[in-house]
Amino acid sequence: QVTLKESGPGMLQPSKTLSLTCSFSGFSLSTSGMVVSWIRQPSGKSLEWLAAIDWDGDKYYNPSLKSRLTVSKDTSNTQVFLKITSVDIADTATYYCARSLGSRPDYWGQGVMVTVSS
Amino acid sequence: DIQMTQSPASLSASLEEIVTITCKASQGIDDYLSWYQQKPGKSPQLLIYDATSLADGVPSRFSGSRSGTQYSLKISRPQVDDSGIYYCLQSYSTPYTFGAGTKLELK
Repeated sequence: QVTLKESGPGMLQPSKTLSLTCSFSGFSLSTSGMVVSWIRQPSGKSLEWLAAIDWDGDKYYNPSLKSRLTVSKDTSNTQVFLKITSVDIADTATYYCARSLGSRPDYWGQGVMVTVSS
Repeated sequence: DIQMTQSPASLSASLEEIVTITCKASQGIDDYLSWYQQKPGKSPQLLIYDATSLADGVPSRFSGSRSGTQYSLKISRPQVDDSGIYYCLQSYSTPYTFGAGTKLELK
């Protein structure tokens, strides 16, 4: 059974660094073609793809935020991380991680809500 | 970036209708198009991938098609449980981009 679960700080202050963790089971990120993406959704708005890391360790970023994003994975291939530097109120959103094997994210985590506030 | 123009933004439909939601890509995306349903407080659920393939466990009343760079999601004889927000996603090239969403209300 494929499951993903995001975790994060819940709330942080502007200008800080947001660190998110995606813990997953039921698949291996070392499998050829496997990708884990980060996607966010401000309340009441559409979805925004942020970054992804694939089975080979290649990383992909949304150019609109690239300078602030870092995606990584652990050596056991059971967790993926996302760091966003210099957060501001516009980064307030629910953050999802999702798995892709092939062309589309098929399994998503439940999401973690992050609020940026002073 | 590839822009996905989704329409309509919202619609209200009866249980006897055929519901159609469209997404037009700003360039060719080689059918790397998927559709998701999202209910309040939940994560998106995959319905259709590769433009026309039904995801596992999704009822056959959902279908996808393409005409040029316009992709469509059709729901035949929708059920009350089909209410929610529907999004398209292009995964042809990064950054992947979503449509703005269509809020579907069943009456």
